[in-house]
Amino acid sequence: EVQLVVSGGGLVRPGRSLRLSCTASGLTFSNFAMNWVRQAPGKGLEWVSGISGSGASTGHADSVKGRFTISRDNSKNTVYLQMNSLKAEDTALYYCAKGADDDIFDAFDFWGQGTLVSVSS
Amino acid sequence: IQLTQSPSFLSASVGDRVTMTCRASQTISSYFAWYQQEPGKAPKLLISSASTLQSGVPSRFSGSGSGTEFTLTISSLQPEDVATYYCQQLNSYPLTFGGGTKVEIK
Repeated sequence: EVQLVVSGGGLVRPGRSLRLSCTASGLTFSNFAMNWVRQAPGKGLEWVSGISGSGASTGHADSVKGRFTISRDNSKNTVYLQMNSLKAEDTALYYCAKGADDDIFDAFDFWGQGTLVSVSS
Repeated sequence: IQLTQSPSFLSASVGDRVTMTCRASQTISSYFAWYQQEPGKAPKLLISSASTLQSGVPSRFSGSGSGTEFTLTISSLQPEDVATYYCQQLNSYPLTFGGGTKVEIK
């Protein structure tokens, strides 16, 4: 059974940094792309970042480009989202989502439970 | 690529046929998906490649479309289908979602 356990959320002041982690089990982790998707309170879904199974290909939404970095450690079955220069508008529930294949353009066939990031002074 | 979903809200009776639409700002391939998000839960993949039903998803759900217009149909609405439905394009970065269609039972 696939499981995605997300951690690292919390309350942080504007301009500070936070790192989210998503640890997977029940799958051959390196065979699948991974993504981060966020949802601001009462709002819709926004794709944040994605990374291929090998880590060779990544992508970021324009709203976070230059501030957020996605990476993965396949030996630890974990994908990370390093978030720097946080802004109030980054406040959201952050989901980790598994791609259906190694292709970064595959649909997200499994989602973790989400972790809340609140950016406020 | 911008995705515009319509309607944003839909109220229908149990057993009704329900259709929602997602329009893309430019032509995309079949790298297109639909997700269901029940209140308080993580999204769930319903349909990939525009029309491929995921394993375990009831057959009353179906997807169709190509180019710039895609549709999700629920052939007979059930109480457990109360949720918000999102479309997503996976044709090119940055990946984008539509604004969602919230479905309720009348």
